Amino acid sequence: AQKVTQAQTEISVVEKEDVTLDCVYETRDTTYYLFWYKQPPSGELVFLIRRNSFDEQNEISGRYSWNFQKSTSSFNFTITASQVVDSAVYFCALSEAQVGGANSKLTFGKGITLSVRP
Amino acid sequence: DSGVTQTPKHLITATGQRVTLRCSPRSGDLSVYWYQQSLDQGLQFLIQYYNGEERAKGNILERFSAQQFPDLHSELNLSSLELGDSALYFCASSANRGEGSYNEQFFGPGTRLTVL
Repeated sequence: AQKVTQAQTEISVVEKEDVTLDCVYETRDTTYYLFWYKQPPSGELVFLIRRNSFDEQNEISGRYSWNFQKSTSSFNFTITASQVVDSAVYFCALSEAQVGGANSKLTFGKGITLSVRP
Repeated sequence: DSGVTQTPKHLITATGQRVTLRCSPRSGDLSVYWYQQSLDQGLQFLIQYYNGEERAKGNILERFSAQQFPDLHSELNLSSLELGDSALYFCASSANRGEGSYNEQFFGPGTRLTVL
């Protein structure tokens, strides 16, 4: 069975601080996909990144960076120089390899509420 | 805008009632997923349809059912509603690019259901 653990529930930082959101996952599959989604106060779920299990390269996109380490089953998300607009709930999610041409479901962590104060 | 539409945006109803939530996937997407976000359970997968057929089931109650129509839109039916069914219900869709590739799930804006 798949499981995603986001041990941090709430994080509060002051603008311009760096913040790292932790994600630990469990799966028996050798091929799987990891994701981060953002849910701003308006409620929609915004896709941020997908990572394949066979690609451990870290990724940077502007102020966002992701550190994927299979050895520790972690997929952590760092926001550099945080801004008030980064305030949201962030979800880490896991999906198994697709079956018969259709994607598998997403298993989400409980989410981390990030508050960035001016 | 993800391209996935959900109606209605808000729904307020009473216990014991039945409601239908509607989802239109992105153009050409064959897969539709339903997720429930509640304070107690977090974000959890309910059910998946692929090209009109049920593909996978999650923690979906027997009082809930879904279907995907030939035009690929989907409906989630919730009956004998209880207070605990109050939640945000998301629909997501994904394309089909064939074996060996992963297709992102794009989420609709959600339907907020309040059961009084």
